Amino acid sequence: DAMVIQNPRYQVTQFGKPVTLSCSQTLNHNVMYWYQQKSSQAPKLLFHYYDKDFNNEADTPDNFQSRRPNTSFCFLDIRSPGLGDAAMYLCATSRGGRTGELFFGEGSRLTVL
Amino acid sequence: GEDVEQSLFLSVREGDSSVINCTYTDSSSTYLYWYKQEPGAGLQLLTYIFSNMDMKQDQRLTVLLNKKDKHLSLRIADTQTGDSAIYFCAETPNRDDKIIFGKGTRLHILP
Repeated sequence: DAMVIQNPRYQVTQFGKPVTLSCSQTLNHNVMYWYQQKSSQAPKLLFHYYDKDFNNEADTPDNFQSRRPNTSFCFLDIRSPGLGDAAMYLCATSRGGRTGELFFGEGSRLTVL
Repeated sequence: GEDVEQSLFLSVREGDSSVINCTYTDSSSTYLYWYKQEPGAGLQLLTYIFSNMDMKQDQRLTVLLNKKDKHLSLRIADTQTGDSAIYFCAETPNRDDKIIFGKGTRLHILP
């Protein structure tokens, strides 16, 4: 059974039209992450939550926001998607601490027209 | 600084051994990981090694760590078609909960 579930799997939006991607987990993990993955590039960490503590990466554009209303859910909001934001967005969870196995969802592929 | 480097492609004949190499820059990394990503799927942890170890073996997988050279390798013995995937090397710098990934090595299996 899937433990990290992302919706939608595929999202098509128009340039500048806001998008929300969702992630839910049944693992009760403390930490949730959002990564952006483009073809032939390393998954790039956008931000992560340790419980309700929000940690933004220094180079994450302001266009990207996140919400974690409770332990199970986390959302990625892209306020004004540009063509360069087309990518696979991966949600992951972990128990926390540096032994860090990440559990990934299957990803949401965003296309910007 | 944080940087994980690995070659982008590797082709191996079925039945041969595959060796995927990685270099990293953060000498304080406590754990080093290999993740596997199959087409259309998220990343899945394959194996990991603690920084005070030189080698770890798990069935067909052997991980070698050269801490002096900051070099990590993954050897897959008797490579099968099901091993076709992208393999990501990753490190945990010795602070917070971040995991830094390389660009991934696409393993292609030749018949």
